Amino acid sequence: AQKITQTQPGMFVQEKEAVTLDCTYDTSDPSYGLFWYKQPSSGEMIFLIYQGSYDQQNATEGRYSLNFQKARKSANLVISASQLGDSAMYFCAMREGYDDYKLSFGAGTTVTVRA
Amino acid sequence: EPEVTQTPSHQVTQMGQEVILRCVPISNHLYFYWYRQILGQKVEFLVSFYNNEISEKSEIFDDQFSVERPDGSNFTLKIRSTKLEDSAMYFCASSEAGQLNTEAFFGQGTRLTVV
Repeated sequence: AQKITQTQPGMFVQEKEAVTLDCTYDTSDPSYGLFWYKQPSSGEMIFLIYQGSYDQQNATEGRYSLNFQKARKSANLVISASQLGDSAMYFCAMREGYDDYKLSFGAGTTVTVRA
Repeated sequence: EPEVTQTPSHQVTQMGQEVILRCVPISNHLYFYWYRQILGQKVEFLVSFYNNEISEKSEIFDDQFSVERPDGSNFTLKIRSTKLEDSAMYFCASSEAGQLNTEAFFGQGTRLTVV
């Protein structure tokens, strides 16, 4: 079974508008962490934001915020005031438990920001 | 800002040849990882390494693969006899600790092309 599901292969957004990228996850471990990474066309992976399973508040980092709905097992990324430089592939990832250090990634969503 | 560096950025090799991909993790980090991304697909975990030994490996990480930390700073991935399907972007990552909320810092990747 897929641990991370990203159902939107590609999205277009107008500059200065907000965009929401969907991510659902599957785990039976009560302790887990959710991450979003950005991969521009140059290929590197850039960490954006983290949400822990026990965190009471939704994470925010500048223009990035995470809409964490634990009961629905969703961790959607919201990018506000989109910029042309936000055009990239975005990956949702999860780390489970305290003995498992690896990240499991979703298939990614390509975001294209239009001027 | 400290970063994970990978060399080379691009390597082309003949099928059946051995390749060594090199990584210099962030100096105070203790956990090291290799991931790969076949073109257009999701990022897949290969192996994690801590305290000079493999912590976990995926099904992809078969006997053709090995990792080493030869000198306390470099972290290498060796593919003994490359196959066409090994063509992918290989990412090295490191993290300071093995906790849930510890982000992994990724290198810029090595694009391996097997011909």
